[in-house]
Amino acid sequence: KQEVTQIPAALSVPEGENLVLNCSFTDSAIYNLQWFRQDPGKGLTSLLLIQSSQREQTSGRLNASLDKSSGRSTLYIAASQPGDSATYLCASTDSWGKLQFGAGTQVVVTP
Amino acid sequence: DTGVSQDPRHKITKRGQNVTFRCDPISEHNRLYWYRQTLGQGPEFLTYFQNEAQLEKSRLLSDRFSAERPKGSFSTLEIQRTEQGDSAMYLCASSSNLDEQYFGPGTRLTVT
Repeated sequence: KQEVTQIPAALSVPEGENLVLNCSFTDSAIYNLQWFRQDPGKGLTSLLLIQSSQREQTSGRLNASLDKSSGRSTLYIAASQPGDSATYLCASTDSWGKLQFGAGTQVVVTP
Repeated sequence: DTGVSQDPRHKITKRGQNVTFRCDPISEHNRLYWYRQTLGQGPEFLTYFQNEAQLEKSRLLSDRFSAERPKGSFSTLEIQRTEQGDSAMYLCASSSNLDEQYFGPGTRLTVT
């Protein structure tokens, strides 16, 4: 059974610093890996999707890497802003399309 | 295209009552997923549909839960004889085949 872990559970950084969020998974037979953002009491917003054959994916200030052999993905957010404060979730997708989520990393960016 | 929508956004019900939630996926998406999220945890898979066929159900989905997707369009999730442990955020997502999943705003259920 796939297990997805996100460390740390919470992170606080001053505005302008780069954010590094970690995600690890136990079963490397994933179809793809997705990163999401969730604001309090809201649904999930998809940030990046990395196919299993890809090593990284970029969108604006966001960059996500994937190393299937070591069971790790990392989300980098450059030059953090207070508006980046949210919970960030990673999820692996199996061949049936089911997402297996980590518990998330709660990020606070202080002005 | 307005994205995935869910209705209602909030539902408060008394223990033992039945509740039904609705999800309208992105129109061209053939896959629809239901997840449940409790406070401080990531969402957990409940069930999914490809078109109108329900292809898998999680062990989390007891006999009190039933989901339908008639005609492969919107989906409903019904919980019968609600229990306090059913209190959670119920999230719906849709995708085109195995591509990126897009989530709705969720329905927050509180069972008193």
